[in-house]
Amino acid sequence: AQKVTQAQTEISVVEKEDVTLDCVYETRDTTYYLFWYKQPPSGELVFLIRRNSFDEQNEISGRYSWNFQKSTSSFNFTITASQVVDSAVYFCALSQNTGGFKTIFGAGTRLFVKA
Amino acid sequence: DADVTQTPRNRITKTGKRIMLECSQTKGHDRMYWYRQDPGLGLRLIYYSFDVKDINKGEISDGYSVSRQAQAKFSLSLESAIPNQTALYFCATSDLAGVNEQFFGPGTRLTVL
Repeated sequence: AQKVTQAQTEISVVEKEDVTLDCVYETRDTTYYLFWYKQPPSGELVFLIRRNSFDEQNEISGRYSWNFQKSTSSFNFTITASQVVDSAVYFCALSQNTGGFKTIFGAGTRLFVKA
Repeated sequence: DADVTQTPRNRITKTGKRIMLECSQTKGHDRMYWYRQDPGLGLRLIYYSFDVKDINKGEISDGYSVSRQAQAKFSLSLESAIPNQTALYFCATSDLAGVNEQFFGPGTRLTVL
C-alpha cells in the first residue's frame, strides 16, 4: 500500500514563529522518493524538495529544513522564523518503485502566518 | 512561456454535458498526469501516461477518460459531467524515470451545475 498522511489540516502561527508540518508515509518498497510541494494562494504548485529512501540526511535550505526518519516513516518540514509569504497549502507526496513511480499526495496542510 | 499549459483555465458547464480539458507541455517529458484537487482531500490521481502508447487508471478514474495525442499533449474528458466533478484539475509532467519532481500546469477550475 502507498499512503501519505498529513494529520494537520490547518495551522495558524504568528510571524517569526517556527512551525513544523508533519508527514507520515506508508510503503512496502525499499526504493521510494518523498517530496514537498507548496501551493500559495495564487494556486500554482511549486516543488520544494525531493528525498530518496537511501538518503536520511536532513536538509536545510534557508529558513526551510526537512527531517527524514525511516524508523518512524516520517518526513517533516520545518519553517524557521515564519513569514506572511509562507502562508500556503503544503503537500507531502510519495513515489515508489511498485507502480512505476507514480506519485501519491497527502491531503495537505494549510498554513496561515499572521503578521 | 509556461512549460505546462492547460485550457481552459475556468469552465462552467451543466450536468450531462461532455467537456474536455487539454494539457500541453514543452518540457519534453514522457510522463503526464491528471489530478483533481478537492478541499481536504489533496491531489488525487485520475489517470497517468508513461508514454504515448501507455495509459493507466489512477485512484479515481470513474467518469473520466483520457487521450494522449502526442508526447506533448494529454487530454482529460468528462463524458457526462456531474456536480461532484466540480473541482480544480491539474495536469503534470515528469521525466521518464519518474523519480524527479513533477511540473504542474496552472490548473483548470471546473464547475458543474
